[in-house]
Amino acid sequence: KAGVTQTPRYLIKTRGQQVTLSCSPISGHRSVSWYQQTPGQGLQFLFEYFSETQRNKGNFPGRFSGRQFSNSRSEMNVSTLELGDSALYLCASTQDEWHTGELFFGEGSRLTVL
Amino acid sequence: AQTVTQSQPEMSVQEAETVTLSCTYDTSESDYYLFWYKQPPSRQMILVIRQEAYKQQNATENRFSVNFQKAAKSFSLKISDSQLGDAAMYFCAYRGVNTGNQFYFGTGTSLTVIP
Repeated sequence: KAGVTQTPRYLIKTRGQQVTLSCSPISGHRSVSWYQQTPGQGLQFLFEYFSETQRNKGNFPGRFSGRQFSNSRSEMNVSTLELGDSALYLCASTQDEWHTGELFFGEGSRLTVL
Repeated sequence: AQTVTQSQPEMSVQEAETVTLSCTYDTSESDYYLFWYKQPPSRQMILVIRQEAYKQQNATENRFSVNFQKAAKSFSLKISDSQLGDAAMYFCAYRGVNTGNQFYFGTGTSLTVIP
């Protein structure tokens, strides 16, 4: 079974631009979460989608948005990029709504903002 | 909101020795789940071990075990017989039972294994 796939793996943008990151969860997983990882801050929760609905949202500005498609694939978008948005963005999927199991992570998309 | 604290940014251990990574958390919930995740350099994060709060018995997975102290809100990870492949960033994580799949992570502990 294929794991969580994130694209692109690396990207460089300049301030003010926008970026879209993509995540394909493990087949059968309906919940997709996004996290921002920066040195010293650990992983900060961005949002979680389940069956195309955003269920939870972290404490990030409205420049950060996401969506989930009917096939459970998810995208996140960051508009008007700032230098502080440079980070590793991790996508994770899990099996079902109340499953108590683990998150399965992708390898991440490393965003550098110049 | 729940918070997870890892007070050891870096740790080191001699190969074949034992090391303990600390984690504390703050919550008002009575039922929840705790996890330790491992992130090797430039590789994806994987689950090391999981503990259900309602279980008094500490979880064990081969060389990895936890010391779960619910009253103290402490959840430490012990790695026995450390191997070079254990070198990684380790994250402690919390998930409530009523908060969907939102996980709260600590800031991580970077573990170095010395040959």
